Amino acid sequence: SQKIEQNSEALNIQEGKTATLTCNYTNYSPAYLQWYRQDPGRGPVFLLLIRENEKEKRKERLKVTFDTTLKQSLFHITASQPADSATYLCALEEGSGNTGKLIFGQGTTLQVKP
Amino acid sequence: DTAVSQTPKYLVTQMGNDKSIKCEQNLGHDTMYWYKQDSKKFLKIMFSYNNKELIINETVPNRFSPKSPDKAHLNLHINSLELGDSAVYFCASSQAGQGKDEQFFGPGTRLTVL
Repeated sequence: SQKIEQNSEALNIQEGKTATLTCNYTNYSPAYLQWYRQDPGRGPVFLLLIRENEKEKRKERLKVTFDTTLKQSLFHITASQPADSATYLCALEEGSGNTGKLIFGQGTTLQVKP
Repeated sequence: DTAVSQTPKYLVTQMGNDKSIKCEQNLGHDTMYWYKQDSKKFLKIMFSYNNKELIINETVPNRFSPKSPDKAHLNLHINSLELGDSAVYFCASSQAGQGKDEQFFGPGTRLTVL
């Protein structure tokens, strides 16, 4: 069966460290993978998109990798800050064209302690 | 200016009632979506519309009926509400209905069915 899995346990790290979140998937062959941030009581906010032919994408302190052989994406936040505390969702594309849709993982909650 | 807005933010109602949630986007996007986020935080697509045309209908009970009067609006009407309908409902929009486009989410509507 198709699955997209993120670590359901919260990730607690110290301010200034690098946070690494994992997104694994099975029985999908996505051309695109996206990462979103969700704060309590709010809608998800887009962070980064990576294509299947891209190994790595960066945006400021954020870095995403996409390994289609391992069927895994890693999301890194360097020099983490308490303001980075939130739930991070990965989402991959299922289908293609106008009927393509995003399938979301359940998210990993990150807590950055000062 | 809010990009994607939803009303109401909270909705508390009795089983068996009919209710509607409204969504508007001012981004000029062609595609709009409804998602349901349950208590376990899974975000699942329900419907997508492209230029007022239904594109995706994810085996949602036919008590749920989306309506798109124009491409900037996508409303969700729910008949005969059940306890299991309690969740947070998010509206979203993107330029095209594909997984390669970032999606912009509204603030969500928390529906509680008593």
